[in-house]
Amino acid sequence: AQSVTQPDIHITVSEGASLELRCNYSYGATPYLFWYVQSPGQGLQLLLKYFSGDTLVQGIKGFEAEFKRSQSSFNLRKPSVHWSDAAEYFCAVGLYSNYQLIWGAGTKLIIKP
Amino acid sequence: NAGVTQTPKFRVLKTGQSMTLLCAQDMNHEYMYWYRQDPGMGLRLIHYSVGEGTTAKGEVPDGYNVSRLKKQNFLLGLESAAPSQTSVYFCASEGTGGNEQYFGPGTRLTVT
Repeated sequence: AQSVTQPDIHITVSEGASLELRCNYSYGATPYLFWYVQSPGQGLQLLLKYFSGDTLVQGIKGFEAEFKRSQSSFNLRKPSVHWSDAAEYFCAVGLYSNYQLIWGAGTKLIIKP
Repeated sequence: NAGVTQTPKFRVLKTGQSMTLLCAQDMNHEYMYWYRQDPGMGLRLIHYSVGEGTTAKGEVPDGYNVSRLKKQNFLLGLESAAPSQTSVYFCASEGTGGNEQYFGPGTRLTVT
């Protein structure tokens, strides 16, 4: 069965430090790949997406993600985090065969001043 | 352009009561979804719709019903609420192709 794994439940990073959030998926083909962010008490907002082509994709708020087919991974990165980046981040996989997204359990990002 | 809106934002129900959550989108999207979000479990799909008049079950449909009588609205009903349905409910919509979903702000439901 298809699945999405975000191995880190929480990550704490100092303000100004770099960030990498991990996402691995299990699927037989290359799916659509997404990262969403959820600020406290809010809905989810799309950060970036990968459909095909260049494996390094740029998103909003200075985030980027790299698709690595050989590792079935789509890790999210930011070179320098800001206190406003504190939120929960969700990786999701879209399958060609149906209309649904498969979601990871989320990673909560905590920013140390 | 309001995007996706959800009504109400908060609700407290007693066990056995019923209620309907309303989701509305003004982007002329074909697909609409209802999710529930529980701590540590990410988003779980309850029901979805691929067009007006059509609905389908997702991962956790038991205890919920839905209707999509108008393209812009997707209703989620709880006929007899249970404490296990305490959760935050999100509606999302999507245009055709690409799986990119747009989310509403959520409804926090507590069943006592």
